[in-house]
Amino acid sequence: SQQGEEDPQALSIQEGENATMNCSYKTSINNLQWYRQNSGRGLVHLILIRSNEREKHSGRLRVTLDTSKKSSSLLITASRAADTASYFCATDANSGYSTLTFGKGTMLLVSP
Amino acid sequence: GAGVSQSPRYKVAKRGQDVALRCDPISGHVSLFWYQQALGQGPEFLTYFQNEAQLDKSGLPSDRFFAERPEGSVSTLKIQRTQQEDSAVYLCASSLAPGHGYTFGSGTRLTVV
Repeated sequence: SQQGEEDPQALSIQEGENATMNCSYKTSINNLQWYRQNSGRGLVHLILIRSNEREKHSGRLRVTLDTSKKSSSLLITASRAADTASYFCATDANSGYSTLTFGKGTMLLVSP
Repeated sequence: GAGVSQSPRYKVAKRGQDVALRCDPISGHVSLFWYQQALGQGPEFLTYFQNEAQLDKSGLPSDRFFAERPEGSVSTLKIQRTQQEDSAVYLCASSLAPGHGYTFGSGTRLTVV
């Protein structure tokens, strides 16, 4: 079963624009992570935000977490064509094993 | 090694054939996970190892699926009597310890014909 639901399912923007993706989840979490997947490749870990954090930055990435609304957002600023990929949120529901539950992803297309 | 290595990269199996998928995690990583990703979907959890112990296999879809990690390093996912619905990308990931981010391999794309 998939806990996270990303929104939108697909996003098409121009280079230089910002891209915002949202994720909602259902159960309490230990942390939430964002991953990127290029077509036909494995997933790349982008950023991890813990349940007691509200915002985190890494380069052009900004992640927010609202545990009261059970939602997170990923903002990519000044997007580049190389950012074209699928983006997944994944929740660690504190199972003790850090098993991640992934959403269905947002497909981002950045046009030159 | 520098990353998580999976082999083969692609596997075509005839329905009913047995397959074995290999994962070499990052050296020293305690946690190892297997996920199944169907086309257009997010990865779905199959099983988890902590060192050589399989602590969670609740995601394995049937008793045709079996995973092992006998020495706490390399892991093998075996699927017996493959069916068409087993066609998917099988992803392996390792983590230094619980609570850390995962490093994923490139996956094995299994096609059952």
